[in-house]
Amino acid sequence: QKEVEQDPGPLSVPEGAIVSLNCTYSNSAFQYFMWYRQYSRKGPELLMYTYSSGNKEDGRFTAQVDKSSKYISLFIRDSQPSDSATYLCAMSAVGYGLTGGGNKLTFGTGTQLKVEL
Amino acid sequence: DTEVTQTPKHLVMGMTNKKSLKCEQHMGHRAMYWYKQKAKKPPELMFVYSYEKLSINESVPSRFSPECPNSSLLNLHLHALQPEDSALYLCASSQVPQGSGRGQETQYFGPGTRLLVL
Repeated sequence: QKEVEQDPGPLSVPEGAIVSLNCTYSNSAFQYFMWYRQYSRKGPELLMYTYSSGNKEDGRFTAQVDKSSKYISLFIRDSQPSDSATYLCAMSAVGYGLTGGGNKLTFGTGTQLKVEL
Repeated sequence: DTEVTQTPKHLVMGMTNKKSLKCEQHMGHRAMYWYKQKAKKPPELMFVYSYEKLSINESVPSRFSPECPNSSLLNLHLHALQPEDSALYLCASSQVPQGSGRGQETQYFGPGTRLLVL
């Protein structure tokens, strides 16, 4: 079993739809959760960061973390064609960086999203 | 400014060539990373530098040689690569995490260098 599972899609939605992207994980030590957006042939762009459980909202994007279920979500409201990209969840464990070793992210496989006109 | 820059954008090299990839950030981050990404796969961590010292090497073959000359720069020296090394090479940087939950764990990625080994 992979540490982080993410439905690879592709997911196709009409413009204006609400999109729900999800990841499940198995490592209960994960405390830091991120969502990245990656356009084709570009580097990942940080969208959202959440520490521990809870919700965080930024414009049309809402990130949710449910640590009891080991489940995180990214919601995109009023989706636009420009949202068409691959969305990667990433997470890391508390304390990993305390030895000064940087931070190791564990990524999901990415969900390919297409928002159609 | 959350920009990480990488050069070159594209690189084609033969299996006997020596080349270098460069990465630069001016966010004051003291942790820098090299990742390799194949098509339709997530990034795979290769190396981590913390305070300009190599802290993690994810069992990467010696034909990849990282270097961190100062706190803003990160290089990846390539020699005798194989065609299967063709990929997008991504650089990232972050603060050195202290476990405070203040976002120091977030990594900022550059646009990548697309490498083709013939």
